[in-house]
Amino acid sequence: NAGVTQTPKFRVLKTGQSMTLLCAQDMNHEYMYWYRQDPGMGLRLIHYSVGEGTTAKGEVPDGYNVSRLKKQNFLLGLESAAPSQTSVYFCASSLIGQGGNSPLHFGNGTRLTVT
Amino acid sequence: GNSVTQMEGPVTLSEEAFLTINCTYTATGYPSLFWYVQYPGEGLQLLLKATKADDKGSNKGFEATYRKETTSFHLEKGSVQVSDSAVYFCALSLNTGGFKTIFGAGTRLFVKA
Repeated sequence: NAGVTQTPKFRVLKTGQSMTLLCAQDMNHEYMYWYRQDPGMGLRLIHYSVGEGTTAKGEVPDGYNVSRLKKQNFLLGLESAAPSQTSVYFCASSLIGQGGNSPLHFGNGTRLTVT
Repeated sequence: GNSVTQMEGPVTLSEEAFLTINCTYTATGYPSLFWYVQYPGEGLQLLLKATKADDKGSNKGFEATYRKETTSFHLEKGSVQVSDSAVYFCALSLNTGGFKTIFGAGTRLFVKA
């Protein structure tokens, strides 16, 4: 049972380059999320999706775009990378909306460095 | 606003010591409370949860009790092991409005043999 799988695990970009982070889940979860983790700041929500074909902005959406063309996949795009986007990115999913009976399931993260 | 505050780390303990990691929250409404754990090189995974006041969540020897009167959800373990070394995140999720879990900053725990 793979759960939530993220690719790649590591990536180094130069300022201005673009890339897409891939997330796949095999639990048939409706909701998917992208978070970034920075030292001393916990996790911050970038974008989320409540179902196939839907996306919405989270707490820190600027500089990122997302797409959910299939229920099991959630893509995070950086069109023009900036050093401030150096971070560890986590994808997560939940069966229904977040709450006591629907905790988050996380992937193992992608460490992105922008030089 | 809604927020989670947890004790700063790192916390360094010897094996078999007692662990407490403090967590307090501010929330409108009635949140569910969680502890997530992140082992090195991995994503977060749910450790335990409590969905209403006075509930006690427990797992792998860890416990936390939802205290509405003190708005707290402190994590405890009676005897830590080296394998418990990780980063622990306290979090809340509101059941009304929005789809957002609010995380604390995380507390790193080191357990020495």
